[in-house]
Amino acid sequence: DTGVSQDPRHKITKRGQNVTFRCDPISEHNRLYWYRQTLGQGPEFLTYFQNEAQLEKSRLLSDRFSAERPKGSFSTLEIQRTEQGDSAMYLCASSLVTGDYEQYFGPGTRLTVT
Amino acid sequence: TQLLEQSPQFLSIQEGENLTVYCNSSSVFSSLQWYRQEPGEGPVLLVTVVTGGEVKKLKRLTFQFGDARKDSSLHITAAQPGDTGLYLCAGLTGRRALTFGSGTRLQVQP
Repeated sequence: DTGVSQDPRHKITKRGQNVTFRCDPISEHNRLYWYRQTLGQGPEFLTYFQNEAQLEKSRLLSDRFSAERPKGSFSTLEIQRTEQGDSAMYLCASSLVTGDYEQYFGPGTRLTVT
Repeated sequence: TQLLEQSPQFLSIQEGENLTVYCNSSSVFSSLQWYRQEPGEGPVLLVTVVTGGEVKKLKRLTFQFGDARKDSSLHITAAQPGDTGLYLCAGLTGRRALTFGSGTRLQVQP
């Protein structure tokens, strides 16, 4: 198992453009989480899935953000009409739904909106 | 709103020194996880503590969960330059997502 992977690692886009990020979780993990981290802060929760169901969304997740996990495996996070304030590291994590719910993170996607 | 406060925010020490990082909250957590993060990378899980009063050791790192499961500490003995990084605590309530502290940035000078 290669762990959680994210693609792309870096994305530079112009304000107003749409961007999409992908996350591939650890294969046997049925929970998948998205977090956002800005400079000097800890990660902030955005949303999570259990299998293909999106169970919770943070109020940080504005209408311009949408996440999917159509087959309960990989997930995508789309940001429409990007704003400069969207610049951040977007982190994906996965976990089992048993035990201590330990979350394992991917390397992140660094988004820069110019 | 559940908040986790970490202290200190920054710590710069010499190789060989000991240090303690604190993570405090007014909320009770079902478990607490400690992560270390390198610049430009995702957090890497170090340990999970679940039981109030629990102590876990990972080589030179000692983690403790408070009796009331509201606070935790990380103690590093004889710090090495390889310990440099951002240390994050994160609490789990029930079966929801993690709430992270803002982190402690540790710099160990050789």
